[in-house]
Amino acid sequence: SQELEQSPQSLIVQEGKNLTINCTSSKTLYGLYWYKQKYGEGLIFLMMLQKGGEEKSHEKITAKLDEKKQQSSLHITASQPSHAGIYLCGADRGTGNQFYFGTGTSLTVIP
Amino acid sequence: ETGVTQTPRHLVMGMTNKKSLKCEQHLGHNAMYWYKQSAKKPLELMFVYSLEERVENNSVPSRFSPECPNSSHLFLHLHTLQPEDSALYLCASSLIRGAGGANVLTFGAGSRLTVL
Repeated sequence: SQELEQSPQSLIVQEGKNLTINCTSSKTLYGLYWYKQKYGEGLIFLMMLQKGGEEKSHEKITAKLDEKKQQSSLHITASQPSHAGIYLCGADRGTGNQFYFGTGTSLTVIP
Repeated sequence: ETGVTQTPRHLVMGMTNKKSLKCEQHLGHNAMYWYKQSAKKPLELMFVYSLEERVENNSVPSRFSPECPNSSHLFLHLHTLQPEDSALYLCASSLIRGAGGANVLTFGAGSRLTVL
């Protein structure tokens, strides 16, 4: 089974709508990272959360970390077509050399 | 440009061919990674070279062979591949400061491999 489960697997929203993507870990988190991938391309780093309760924002994207629940959420406000892509959460195993990713959430924003 | 360069971007090969994927980074990072991304499957960590140590996913077939001659270059040697090996192969690098520290990976654009 996957150590990082994301939900939903895919999301189709109308432009301007808000949306939330969740990432749940089955193991202790030493930091949670969010990436975005355009189809067929490499991953782009969005933000990193290291402490329970931490919340970070970049433009219209906000991520939060609930350390007790071993969960993180990514919230996009007033979505735009430029937000479309695959969002992946990632974490390392605390050893510093093994970094693994969640199952991914595919986001489509309809103009 | 992310600072991690992968070549070639696209590769088509037969099952009996031998080819290599190349990755180069000039970010001063001390760890490099190979990931495999297949359609509708999660990203799979294949190999990590970190501080001169190699970590590998035991489920990766021996027809994939990594090489890391120095901290800036990483290769993935391919031989006698199968059609199910067709995928996007992603290289990444990071600066590891110690266990528990931040570990932000920077990715290349990927090499799209098709095995006929």
